[in-house]
Amino acid sequence: EPEVTQTPSHQVTQMGQEVILRCVPISNHLYFYWYRQILGQKVEFLVSFYNNEISEKSEIFDDQFSVERPDGSNFTLKIRSTKLEDSAMYFCATTGATNEKLFFGSGTQLSVL
Amino acid sequence: AQSVTQLGSHVSVSEGALVLLRCNYSSSVPPYLFWYVQYPNQGLQLLLKYTTGATLVKGINGFEAEFKKSETSFHLTKPSAHMSDAAEYFCAVTLNQGGKLIFGQGTELSVKP
Repeated sequence: EPEVTQTPSHQVTQMGQEVILRCVPISNHLYFYWYRQILGQKVEFLVSFYNNEISEKSEIFDDQFSVERPDGSNFTLKIRSTKLEDSAMYFCATTGATNEKLFFGSGTQLSVL
Repeated sequence: AQSVTQLGSHVSVSEGALVLLRCNYSSSVPPYLFWYVQYPNQGLQLLLKYTTGATLVKGINGFEAEFKKSETSFHLTKPSAHMSDAAEYFCAVTLNQGGKLIFGQGTELSVKP
């Protein structure tokens, strides 16, 4: 089965630093999503992205967060100035034109110290 | 607004025993319902989904779930647990098939020999 690839698998950063989490979606997929899971809590929707623009975002996705697909392949999540509470597992998910089945990556564990 | 509640953060069964993971949802319109499984250090994998039609849905690895509108439930079952079923299971709901998912808090399934 095709896979969504996320890098890095684990990122450690200092509070206030910028981080970029990367996702390589399945090649013909058109819809892209970021979710996160804080340890011991629910998986939460952050943002959806289609046709090179954000289609929906949650209240978590504030001005510190941004997404882009700079080269037509990678889909990135940037956190401008990380906070301790940004520590979480971040999942990328993608789906194709029929928007029927989400494929999730294995996640990036972000630790903010 | 939609929400999902999974009863029991941790369920333990013996190998060969029935697996029952409970999920109740809240939605103002007929929802699409999903069960995902997460094995250690892996992404979320779709087990099964309910969209329309038959209310008993069969998924991968011998799992099935029944949509009961009157009970607003979508419990996941498997007649006989295997050791390989040990994982975290997430119930999720959405108003459209591939879009923004609202997850439950997850249930960790342990299988004892």
